[in-house]
Amino acid sequence: DSGVTQTPKHLITATGQRVTLRCSPRSGDLSVYWYQQSLDQGLQFLIHYYNGEERAKGNILERFSAQQFPDLHSELNLSSLELGDSALYFCASSVRASGTYEQYFGPGTRLTVT
Amino acid sequence: AQSVTQLDSHVSVSEGTPVLLRCNYSSSYSPSLFWYVQHPNKGLQLLLKYTSAATLVKGINGFEAEFKKSETSFHLTKPSAHMSDAAEYFCVVSDSSGTYKYIFGTGTRLKVLA
Repeated sequence: DSGVTQTPKHLITATGQRVTLRCSPRSGDLSVYWYQQSLDQGLQFLIHYYNGEERAKGNILERFSAQQFPDLHSELNLSSLELGDSALYFCASSVRASGTYEQYFGPGTRLTVT
Repeated sequence: AQSVTQLDSHVSVSEGTPVLLRCNYSSSYSPSLFWYVQHPNKGLQLLLKYTSAATLVKGINGFEAEFKKSETSFHLTKPSAHMSDAAEYFCVVSDSSGTYKYIFGTGTRLKVLA
């Protein structure tokens, strides 16, 4: 158990809908990273938050947004869903150890868009 | 830009024989490199990391990796495969530009034959 929690585990929804994925980092970790894992794109970085502030964006669509709240949990909002958004979404929190930042991953949310 | 290339998408070994999963990296800086494992329908677990302290890195479950700057490689090895090692393995480089986001390789699926 990494200490990072994600809910829900599975989500099935229809095209055009909006969903919210939730992540709680490990106790004391200020960073949250979101990644998408799909068959055609592999594992890709979406967005990084640190202590409530957005720090970096990757290949995140404009239909997607995220935020990190004062209690450090984060939510990833996906709207106007398309079939191609079906994927496994991971969040991770990081800790500095031995000169670098290690990331610990949650179990993921599997999104299926029908 | 930093990147990693996993040279094999699939590797099959017999139980009890050595495992070699190959990874080459590209980085302008001294990289932070990681290997993660993903078992079916599970999250990503850190196996080991390289942070310039030692070129031979030992990880969990008997895995090792050797950083070779001259060959820009960070191959993962294990002397004797176990059935439980069957999983997907990802080589990762951490973006040193400030956000420390992860850049993933495309993954190597390890199959262990009885």
